[in-house]
Amino acid sequence: EPEVTQTPSHQVTQMGQEVILRCVPISNHLYFYWYRQILGQKVEFLVSFYNNEISEKSEIFDDQFSVERPDGSNFTLKIRSTKLEDSAMYFCASSTDRGNEQYFGPGTRLTVT
Amino acid sequence: AQSVTQLGSHVSVSEGALVLLRCNYSSSVPPYLFWYVQYPNQGLQLLLKYTTGATLVKGINGFEAEFKKSETSFHLTKPSAHMSDAAEYFCAVRLSGNTPLVFGKGTRLSVIA
Repeated sequence: EPEVTQTPSHQVTQMGQEVILRCVPISNHLYFYWYRQILGQKVEFLVSFYNNEISEKSEIFDDQFSVERPDGSNFTLKIRSTKLEDSAMYFCASSTDRGNEQYFGPGTRLTVT
Repeated sequence: AQSVTQLGSHVSVSEGALVLLRCNYSSSVPPYLFWYVQYPNQGLQLLLKYTTGATLVKGINGFEAEFKKSETSFHLTKPSAHMSDAAEYFCAVRLSGNTPLVFGKGTRLSVIA
């Protein structure tokens, strides 16, 4: 069964460093999403992406964040200068269209020290 | 704005006992409702969803949930717990196909032999 994959599973970085989290969505999906979950808190929406542009973003998704689909398979989330409060589990998801079920990856745990 | 409340961050049941995980939502219009499950080191997997139609929804692994508009609830149940049901369960809501998922904080289910 097709699945969303994410790499790495765990990333440790120092404050101020740039990180790129990678996702490979399901191949025939058109909508892509990033969510995050800070330890002990809710899963929160960050951004959705369609047709090579951001279709919606939350107030969390500020200028430090960017997303890209550099090729036909990868979907990346970049944090330009990480802060301690960026430490969280980051989930990628994809769907065939906006109204359909979102399929989630296993997540990347980001630890900022 | 939508919100989701899951009562109980941790629920513990005996094997064979009834599982009841509570979810209440607030929404200005009838929402789409979802339950996701997360097993250790895995992504979020859709258990079941309510969009329209029958208010009692059956999902995978013997779980079901009932949409009660008057109570703004979407509680998840399973008649008989199995050890393999131990996982984190997330309730989520979206207004329509045009909005991102809004998650609850999650409930960790433990099953005792």
